[in-house]
Order: sequence, then C-alpha cells, then structure tokens
Amino acid sequence: NAGVTQTPKFQVLKTGQSMTLQCAQDMNHNSMYWYRQDPGMGLRLIYYSASEGTTDKGEVPNGYNVSRLNKREFSLRLESAAPSQTSVYFCASHRAFGQETQYFGPGTRLLVL
Amino acid sequence: LAKTTQPISMDSYEGQEVNITCSHNNIATNDYITWYQQFPSQGPRFIIQGYKTKVTNEVASLFIPADRKSSTLSLPRVSLSDTAVYYCLVNPAGFKTIFGAGTRLFVKA
Repeated sequence: NAGVTQTPKFQVLKTGQSMTLQCAQDMNHNSMYWYRQDPGMGLRLIYYSASEGTTDKGEVPNGYNVSRLNKREFSLRLESAAPSQTSVYFCASHRAFGQETQYFGPGTRLLVL
Repeated sequence: LAKTTQPISMDSYEGQEVNITCSHNNIATNDYITWYQQFPSQGPRFIIQGYKTKVTNEVASLFIPADRKSSTLSLPRVSLSDTAVYYCLVNPAGFKTIFGAGTRLFVKA
C-alpha cells in the first residue's frame, strides 16, 4: 500500500494563477483532509470530507475549493493564487469518524510569487 | 473544541528519558488524547493515543491523570533521530482537528 500520495511535490506559481493539488489514498478510508503548514507553525485545517460526496470548511477555507472525486481522491484547488498561500500542503485520511488516527501524505510545497 | 497547551521547545541528550506535558483543561468526556510526531519536510505521524491512565507501545508511553486535564508523553532513551516536533491533540467529536504549534524537541549528542 502506498498510503496517502500527493502530487505535485513542489510547485511555483505566479500571483493570480490557478492550480489543483491532488491527493489519493489506497487504505479504503472514508474521511479525508487538507491542511496547510506555514514555516514554524502547526497545521491548520482547510477543508475536510467526512465521507464520499460530502465536504465542509475547516479553519482557513478562504481562497480554496475542494472536490471529493471518489472515495480515494480529494483535490484542493486554488483559483487565484496569492503570496499568502505560500505554504506546505498536507493531505490526510482516516478510516472513519471518531477516534481514529489520521495518516498523512508527504506534502506539497507551494511557492506563490 | 478543547484547546491544548504544550511547551514550545525542549532540549535533551541522547539516552535520556523525555517527558512532554500537554494541558487540555476543557477536554470533553468523549475526547481521546493523541500525539503525533513530525520530522522536517514530512507529514505528521501518529505516535500514541489514550483515554485515561497509561498507554504504552513500542515507541512511547502516555500518562493521563484521573481528571484528564493534562497528559504526558514519555519517550524513553531518546536518540538523535527523535529530534522532531511533537503535537498533542484532543480529538473532538467532529472533524475539525486542531493542531497547535507543537513542542520542538532537540536531542543532542
């Protein structure tokens, strides 16, 4: 099992450009998450999907959209990138609602110029 | 949502036991306490989870007093490779998991 995979690993954008970060998990997990982590900071939840077909806002959703394409895939889209969105983005999944641990992907480093 | 407070940083030497304490005064009855470890340029990794008293696995121990308002992660005999950021989370009865800034542990030779 690959666990949680993310693409791309690194991306440079100009202000105003758009892009989609991809995330996939092969653990048959129901719930998936997108976090961002700024230098020296903890992770902040952007959006989550409790189950296939549902998405909801987290702590910092402004400037982002998400799509739960199917049970395996959860994408994060930046419609018009801003320098403030320069960060490392982590995708995570867990099996089900409740006390389950989350499994994280390796992250996508995004630089917006 | 229960907020957690933990030290910003800690230093230790190889071979020592390290204890990192987290306070979570408004923990709810159904909440569990979970600790994650994060190395530079990697996503967080689950270490241990508990509800009350003591939990031990091959990596760490977690001590939780009866009032559950705090918890202590204990790492026995740390090595240089244990240098990382350690996050204490209180799992809410929902999905809005809150990661604080964590504790930066630096292990010296």
